[in-house]
Amino acid sequence: AQTVTQSQPEMSVQEAETVTLSCTYDTSENNYYLFWYKQPPSRQMILVIRQEAYKQQNATENRFSVNFQKAAKSFSLKISDSQLGDTAMYFCAFMRIANAGGTSYGKLTFGQGTILTVHP
Amino acid sequence: DTEVTQTPKHLVMGMTNKKSLKCEQHMGHRAMYWYKQKAKKPPELMFVYSYEKLSINESVPSRFSPECPNSSLLNLHLHALQPEDSALYLCASSHTPTGFGNQPQHFGDGTRLSIL
Repeated sequence: AQTVTQSQPEMSVQEAETVTLSCTYDTSENNYYLFWYKQPPSRQMILVIRQEAYKQQNATENRFSVNFQKAAKSFSLKISDSQLGDTAMYFCAFMRIANAGGTSYGKLTFGQGTILTVHP
Repeated sequence: DTEVTQTPKHLVMGMTNKKSLKCEQHMGHRAMYWYKQKAKKPPELMFVYSYEKLSINESVPSRFSPECPNSSLLNLHLHALQPEDSALYLCASSHTPTGFGNQPQHFGDGTRLSIL
């Protein structure tokens, strides 16, 4: 079974500064995918960034980037130039391909989440 | 704007009522999911449909009954719910995995359900 650990229940940052959210995971799988999702108070779960385990290059999406350390099973999210709209709960998620009923699907395992507050 | 549409956004029902939650997507995804999320907790998987067939039921009580009438629509029928079933119910969809393709799940806004 996979486990995902987010060790920071809450974080805060000043607007325009940089913040890093940590995530570690445990798995025996070799092929998997990692995601960061953002859930603002409006409650929609929004995909922020994704990383394939077989890719060594760290993913980047505008102000969001990850530091993926496969050997250490670490997947941290860096948010640069933080904005008020970044205030949300952030979930780290591990996905493996599972098979059931003759078909396959992506099975997501979420961490417990980190509440990020950006202060003006 | 979300590409996965869930209705209603809010639902209050008594323990003897029968109601349904609806989820719709038009992204051509053939995998659809129901999750239950309690406040400040991660989503918990309930059901997975793949090609309109139920693939996974994560030991969900029978008072929750999923239905996938076509490739774009997913319903969750509710009957005789308990107060502890009050939660945010999220629907998600994705392409079915091909090889080791990266197929993230796209989530709707959810239905906030309150059981009186």
